[in-house]
Amino acid sequence: GESVGLHLPTLSVQEGDNSIINCAYSNSASDYFIWYKQESGKGPQFIIDIRSNMDKRQGQRVTVLLNKTVKHLSLQIAATQPGDSAVYFCAEFHSQGGSEKLVFGKGTKLTVNP
Amino acid sequence: NAGVTQTPKFRVLKTGQSMTLLCAQDMNHEYMYWYRQDPGMGLRLIHYSVGEGTTAKGEVPDGYNVSRLKKQNFLLGLESAAPSQTSVYFCASSYSTVIEAFFGQGTRLTVV
Repeated sequence: GESVGLHLPTLSVQEGDNSIINCAYSNSASDYFIWYKQESGKGPQFIIDIRSNMDKRQGQRVTVLLNKTVKHLSLQIAATQPGDSAVYFCAEFHSQGGSEKLVFGKGTKLTVNP
Repeated sequence: NAGVTQTPKFRVLKTGQSMTLLCAQDMNHEYMYWYRQDPGMGLRLIHYSVGEGTTAKGEVPDGYNVSRLKKQNFLLGLESAAPSQTSVYFCASSYSTVIEAFFGQGTRLTVV
């Protein structure tokens, strides 16, 4: 079966430090991997995605790394700010036969201490 | 710029009661989705729609029905609520692929 999980349920960092949130996946056939941010009382918000044939992708203050050898995905947030405090979900996406499937992980709660 | 709006935001139901959750989007998106989120778990897809008048089952469709009579609205119905349906429900919409979907703020439903 397929599963997307996270190594750590919570992560606490100091403001200004870099944060690394990890994710393990099991479906080698996934086409994309995506990171979402969910703030308290809100719906998930797309942060960044990475295609399965890439190793690294950078956005604004965020970098996603994909290691297909060990089926591992990480989200790096540079200079973490209090506004980054949220639950972060990884998800894997694959498309087959015209249908799409998005499987979410369980989430990591990031707390940024001032 | 409303985006995706869910109504209501909170609801308490008794077992066996029925209700409808409304999702409205103003972005002219073709695709709409209903997810549920349970504590300690990721979102799971209930039903989705790829266009007006179409619906399809997701990962956990049992106990729910949906309708997409208008492009901007996607309704989720519970015909006979059960405590197992206590959850936070999220609606989402996207122009094409689900990857960059916009999510609503959620409906917290408690079935007692």
